[in-house]
Amino acid sequence: SQTIHQWPATLVQPVGSPLSLECTVEGTSNPNLYWYRQAAGRGLQLLFYSVGIGQISSEVPQNLSASRPQDRQFILSSKKLLLSDSGFYLCACLHSGNTIYFGEGSWLTVV
Amino acid sequence: RKEVEQDPGPFNVPEGATVAFNCTYSNSASQSFFWYRQDCRKEPKLLMSVYSSGNEDGRFTAQLNRASQYISLLIRDSKLSDSATYLCVVKVWANNLFFGTGTRLTVIP
Repeated sequence: SQTIHQWPATLVQPVGSPLSLECTVEGTSNPNLYWYRQAAGRGLQLLFYSVGIGQISSEVPQNLSASRPQDRQFILSSKKLLLSDSGFYLCACLHSGNTIYFGEGSWLTVV
Repeated sequence: RKEVEQDPGPFNVPEGATVAFNCTYSNSASQSFFWYRQDCRKEPKLLMSVYSSGNEDGRFTAQLNRASQYISLLIRDSKLSDSATYLCVVKVWANNLFFGTGTRLTVIP
């Protein structure tokens, strides 16, 4: 079965600082990978998805970016964080083309 | 109109009660449907898929009504451990998944 690892679990960053969240997947190959954000009291917002190495689709304009340097690695980055970037970030993987599974999540607080 | 809508609750029910949540979706071409459970400050976890004929997993029953475009989740004999937020998820096509904002359930002793 597949496993999704995501880190760091928690981070507090000042406004204007960079960000890097990493996600790796085990137990599957060529997965569809996703980054979601869940703000307090809100639903899950799809930020990026990737169907393969180097292939990134962005769902919303923002100061975040994503990269997929390897088949089972997905990275979420920012050069300069904003207060509004605070939230719960979730990496996810599509299993058997139908069901989505999530990593443990990363809590980001921008101060 | 939102793709997926859920009553945010909260639903506060006593132990042993039966509780039901509904979720409506707007796209009639939606293909797959799911219920996820999310505990506080944790990632959502798949609770069950929802099949056209309805399906049951222990105390949980999920149903789909394509004509009225809603899915439901019924929890019988509620336990304290059922307290969580329940998200409905609708997949329109491969990378087009839509999440409800979740319904919060608290089971009271």
